[in-house]
Amino acid sequence: DTAVSQTPKYLVTQMGNDKSIKCEQNLGHDTMYWYKQDSKKFLKIMFSYNNKELIINETVPNRFSPKSPDKAHLNLHINSLELGDSAVYFCASSLAGQGEGYTFGSGTRLTVV
Amino acid sequence: DAKTTQPPSMDCAEGRAANLPCNHSTISGNEYVYWYRQIHSQGPQYIIHGLKNNETNEMASLIITEDRKSSTLILPHATLRDTAVYYCIADYSNSGYALNFGKGTSLLVTP
Repeated sequence: DTAVSQTPKYLVTQMGNDKSIKCEQNLGHDTMYWYKQDSKKFLKIMFSYNNKELIINETVPNRFSPKSPDKAHLNLHINSLELGDSAVYFCASSLAGQGEGYTFGSGTRLTVV
Repeated sequence: DAKTTQPPSMDCAEGRAANLPCNHSTISGNEYVYWYRQIHSQGPQYIIHGLKNNETNEMASLIITEDRKSSTLILPHATLRDTAVYYCIADYSNSGYALNFGKGTSLLVTP
């Protein structure tokens, strides 16, 4: 059973389109995250949700909108995609306050053409 | 969270110990040292963490200096599958913030 699963694994789309990435975890964690890893391989936190509530919202364009329908899901919707949005997006989950317990998904490689 | 500094890259021969250093000179008393690694194209994976004492698990050992300003992750018998980017992170266990991954050390294990 996959602990943190993201779909799709690959996403190629044109500039200006709107797309969503889904994430689900079956670990019983109460906190979920979205990270972005760009071409320079720097892994940056975008959002964090705890028990469906937004905890962290780093300086991310408001074209990015996370949505957590329940504790096990955190989806990422991106409007008006731009070339600079091309990156690998990782979903992760943990129990709140447990830095040792982050479990990451396998990533979604988004390419905007 | 305290800033950490790691060498950008290291090499290690297969079967030898890989010693990955991390400098965290501004670490505060309640901040833990966490190590994660990211094998190519995969999500990061937890390795080990510690506060003051040295720690060992089935994957690695963590040696933290007495003044806590630096630490070393030791992979005792590196294999080719240990080739990855290794991230050292200093953070509070209950900061309420997400872990910030720096640039890490790219470890290449060679045959």
